[in-house]
Amino acid sequence: AQRVTQPEKLLSVFKGAPVELKCNYSYSGSPELFWYVQYSRQRLQLLLRHISRESIKGFTADLNKGETSFHLKKPFAQEEDSAMYYCALSMNTGFQKLVFGTGTRLLVSP
Amino acid sequence: ETGVTQSPTHLIKTRGQQVTLRCSSQSGHNTVSWYQQALGQGPQFIFQYYREEENGRGNFPPRFSGLQFPNYSSELNVNALELDDSALYLCASSLGGAGGTGELFFGEGSRLTVL
Repeated sequence: AQRVTQPEKLLSVFKGAPVELKCNYSYSGSPELFWYVQYSRQRLQLLLRHISRESIKGFTADLNKGETSFHLKKPFAQEEDSAMYYCALSMNTGFQKLVFGTGTRLLVSP
Repeated sequence: ETGVTQSPTHLIKTRGQQVTLRCSSQSGHNTVSWYQQALGQGPQFIFQYYREEENGRGNFPPRFSGLQFPNYSSELNVNALELDDSALYLCASSLGGAGGTGELFFGEGSRLTVL
């Protein structure tokens, strides 16, 4: 079965520290991976997707098929990065169904 | 550009009752997906509608049903409510078919409490 695992419920760091939010997936096919973010009192929104290979707000994520991981990284955390982050997997099923992890709350302290 | 809007934002029902949740998709989008998010969990896929047809369904019983209208707005109906149906219900719209990026645009959700 398809599954996304985010092992940390909460990640607390100081401003300027590096951040790595972990995501592992299980899927036998060719996955498409996403990171969605929810800032306080805002709706869930797309942060980045592995296909685009972009850096958004200083965040990057590399798909590692060997380790079935898609960890989200940022070298220097900012207070405005505090939010709930969800890793999600999309399968090539003919329709778009996202399988979400349980989320990691990132708290960046001054 | 109008974003995804959902109504109602909060509602309380009792076991056995029925509920209808509504969603207006973002302008230009033809696909609507519904997700259930229980407390402390990630969103879980219920189903998706593309051009008024259900074209994908998650692991939810038939008492969860939906509709999509010609203007691409959508409804989620849940019959015979159970306590475990208490959750945040998220609607997401996207542009499906050729030219679509697959990015989902979420509404703020409808929080359902079943007593």
